Amino acid sequence: GIQVEQSPPDLILQEGANSTLRCNFSDSVNNLQWFHQNPWGQLINLFYIPSGTKQNGRLSATTVATERYSLLYISSSQTTDSGVYFCAVVETSGSRLTFGEGTQLTVNP
Amino acid sequence: NAGVMQNPRHLVRRRGQEARLRCSPMKGHSHVYWYRQLPEEGLKFMVYLQKENIIDESGMPKERFSAEFPKEGPSILRIQQVVRGDSAAYFCASSPNRGAGEKLFFGSGTQLSVL
Repeated sequence: GIQVEQSPPDLILQEGANSTLRCNFSDSVNNLQWFHQNPWGQLINLFYIPSGTKQNGRLSATTVATERYSLLYISSSQTTDSGVYFCAVVETSGSRLTFGEGTQLTVNP
Repeated sequence: NAGVMQNPRHLVRRRGQEARLRCSPMKGHSHVYWYRQLPEEGLKFMVYLQKENIIDESGMPKERFSAEFPKEGPSILRIQQVVRGDSAAYFCASSPNRGAGEKLFFGSGTQLSVL
């Protein structure tokens, strides 16, 4: 099956800093989503982005499908951004989301 | 429009008991996915169901676990004779169509604790 690797595994920032999270995948995909799991365990869908670039407030994401990676940018980070960020993909021949192991983000005041 | 609803939010069982987890998909969604998240890990696919059909159960343990999505009512994930290793968060997601190109919406999960 498809492999999804996220980096870095852990990231600690001061409030106001910017960051880039990366997701590499091993095969072609027709679906890629970024999720934020908050400290209460809820999974929030941030972006549905199989290709191209999208922006939502302080967050933006870019997927370069031909090179098999996606990036999530967080600007002017806030303590409420803390949590785990997951990348999940559906390979072209498949029908289910495969998740990476996540990036644990901690934003300190 | 209510989101994906899972209940209970927390479930405590003793070893050997049965656990039943419920998932009501978003209105108009007929496809349901179950995922399991062990502590400090990512989400692992378990099973994909359409109403009255199991489409893909390749991620489901062969014994003690079963899932259904009847014509009426919620999807049920059933774990018989639970063991401590079953302690995890179980998430359900739904989509209106076959999921390959769909945006999935997740419920808040059920945290199962086995004593």
